[in-house]
Amino acid sequence: QVQLVQSGAEVKKPGASVKVSCKASGYSFRNYGISWVRQAPGQGLEWMGWISAYNGNTNLAQKFQGRVTMTTETSTSTAYMELRSLRSDDTAVYFCGRVRTRGLDYWGQGTLVIVSS
Amino acid sequence: DIVMTQTPLSLSVTPGLPASISCKSSQSLLHSDGKTYLYWYLQKPGQSPQVLIYEVSNRFSGVPDRFSGSGSGTDFTLKISRVEAEDVGVYYCMQSIQLPTFGQGTRLEIK
Repeated sequence: QVQLVQSGAEVKKPGASVKVSCKASGYSFRNYGISWVRQAPGQGLEWMGWISAYNGNTNLAQKFQGRVTMTTETSTSTAYMELRSLRSDDTAVYFCGRVRTRGLDYWGQGTLVIVSS
Repeated sequence: DIVMTQTPLSLSVTPGLPASISCKSSQSLLHSDGKTYLYWYLQKPGQSPQVLIYEVSNRFSGVPDRFSGSGSGTDFTLKISRVEAEDVGVYYCMQSIQLPTFGQGTRLEIK
């Protein structure tokens, strides 16, 4: 069965960086893209960007361009999302999701990132 | 960016009765490939979102047939024919004809 397992919670100081991983299993990793979505406490869902696991091409929401890097490691079927220059309003749960027909079909369990001095 | 507007933002439903959520997009979601890229997700309390409906009206594998999606262009609806207790959570529509955007979410609670 398809599973996406994300790395554990992180606490970071403002200005630092965080790198969240998303390990896929149960399907051919290179055949699907991975999207990242975040959810601030008590808020809705915000799409951050997408990466092709086939060739590494990315497409990022404008507000994250220059601050987010998405990568994949096909040898381990793992996707990564790095967010730099963290601010308090980056405190959120970060989800990865497999992309099929432009939508996310399977989601990771989420990774809580807390930004606090 | 395409703006997705959901109504209502919350609803309280008696088990066994129907529920309906509207989602309107600021631009048509009909792609030149003939597909309409509108999805519905449910986020149950404390869980990750799960897909219910893809491309307007297609139920994802394992989704009960009491969930149905309809609509075209800019107006879409998610219907639950008979609400059950397990349907509690926040429902989101999402478009992906352009870079994806989500609606604000509709919180469903049981009366």
